[in-house]
Amino acid sequence: DIQMTQSPSTLSASVGDRVTITCRASQTIGDWLAWYQQKPGKAPKLLIYRASTLESGVPSRFSGSGSGTDFTLTISSLQPDDFATYYCQQYYSYWTFGQGTKVEIK
Amino acid sequence: DVQLVQSGGGLVQPGRSLRLSCATSGFTFDDYAMHWVRQSPGKGLEWVSGIRWDSGVIGYADSVKGRFTISRDNAKKSLFLQMSSLRPEDTAFYYCAKGDSGGSSHEFDYWGQGTLVTVSS
Repeated sequence: DIQMTQSPSTLSASVGDRVTITCRASQTIGDWLAWYQQKPGKAPKLLIYRASTLESGVPSRFSGSGSGTDFTLTISSLQPDDFATYYCQQYYSYWTFGQGTKVEIK
Repeated sequence: DVQLVQSGGGLVQPGRSLRLSCATSGFTFDDYAMHWVRQSPGKGLEWVSGIRWDSGVIGYADSVKGRFTISRDNAKKSLFLQMSSLRPEDTAFYYCAKGDSGGSSHEFDYWGQGTLVTVSS
């Protein structure tokens, strides 16, 4: 099974900050990686797929990069609506999520 | 608009069964794979099961294999999860999710609202 490890688990940041979340796969997954945002009590929302492709309607301050085993999600200028938990997901072999990164207000 | 509306959660005793449903609209249901994902309260996301557009390929997480059965009715545009021999560790919010293709490697582009399954005596 492919394991996904995110870091950090929690991130404290302020509005306007540049934020980076990393995700590492236990084996190479090409670019078969997605990022999701989840707010309390809500379903996850797809942000990025194929490691770097922005889902329609997602603000351009979100970007993704990486391939193989190492990936990043970057929020270029954190907005109040961005405080949430973010998950990476590999879909190279079945589907596995990272443990999540909570972005909280500093 | 794409909609996935779930039903069927609730409180159930250990060892009993429960069936979840996911009614869909706004897209050509039989063109896409569908999935179930769960989230224990306060925890992360766990893929549970997936089914190809034609039900020809089905997969399960090891944690539910042999106890849960995924199915779909393309005529009714609906997805189901039959859960048997339920355990306390199956307690979670269960989400249905639409795959972004009919085949194998794909992300999940739309999700249901989630339904809570609580397994307790």
